[in-house]
Amino acid sequence: EVQMLQSGAEVKKPGESLRISCKGSGYSFTSHWIGWVRQMPGKGLEWMGIIHPGNSDTRNRPSFQGQATMSADKSISTAYLQWSSLEASDTGMYYCARRHSTGWNFDVWGRGTLVTVSS
Amino acid sequence: EIVLTQSPGTLSLSPGERATLSCRASQSVSSISYLAWYQQIPGQAPRLLIYGASNRATGVPDRFSGSGSGTDFTLTISRLEPEDFAVYYCQHYGTSSLYTFGQGTKLEIK
Repeated sequence: EVQMLQSGAEVKKPGESLRISCKGSGYSFTSHWIGWVRQMPGKGLEWMGIIHPGNSDTRNRPSFQGQATMSADKSISTAYLQWSSLEASDTGMYYCARRHSTGWNFDVWGRGTLVTVSS
Repeated sequence: EIVLTQSPGTLSLSPGERATLSCRASQSVSSISYLAWYQQIPGQAPRLLIYGASNRATGVPDRFSGSGSGTDFTLTISRLEPEDFAVYYCQHYGTSSLYTFGQGTKLEIK
């Protein structure tokens, strides 16, 4: 079974750093791009960016450029999303999702990692 | 960048009724292959329902169907089951903006 296993909820203070993870299993990890999607409390879905786990090539949504950084470690089938200095506005649920083989949508989603940034 | 507008914002129906959800693109999509629909049950992750505008994803019941072309796309649920009450999002793939989601339609029990 294809699964995307995300790390647990985090509570951080403004200015702190954070890295959350997404481990793919049940498929060839380097064969599919992985996307990150943000959902702020009570709001809709926002695509942030995608990363190719094989060569770490990335594509970012311009409005998210510089806010969070994607990376991947193919040796352990894990993708990461990290922040160097969190802000309260980073509070939200962050989903990773496997990009469909066609490249046009996301077919398998993780359960999400809730990030809360509060002083 | 294509903007997707979903309507209505909230749809109130009863189990057994037919649901019709709309997704309108700000410009004609270059291929219907680029249009997908997702279901998000409260407290859960999104789930791919429809890809290529009309193809059901694996395991999706046949009461869900998608249609449309150009700027207008529709998700239809033929007979609502209790587990269908959720938020539905359309999504478009574009070569410039890559992945864009609509703002969602909440399907609630009347």
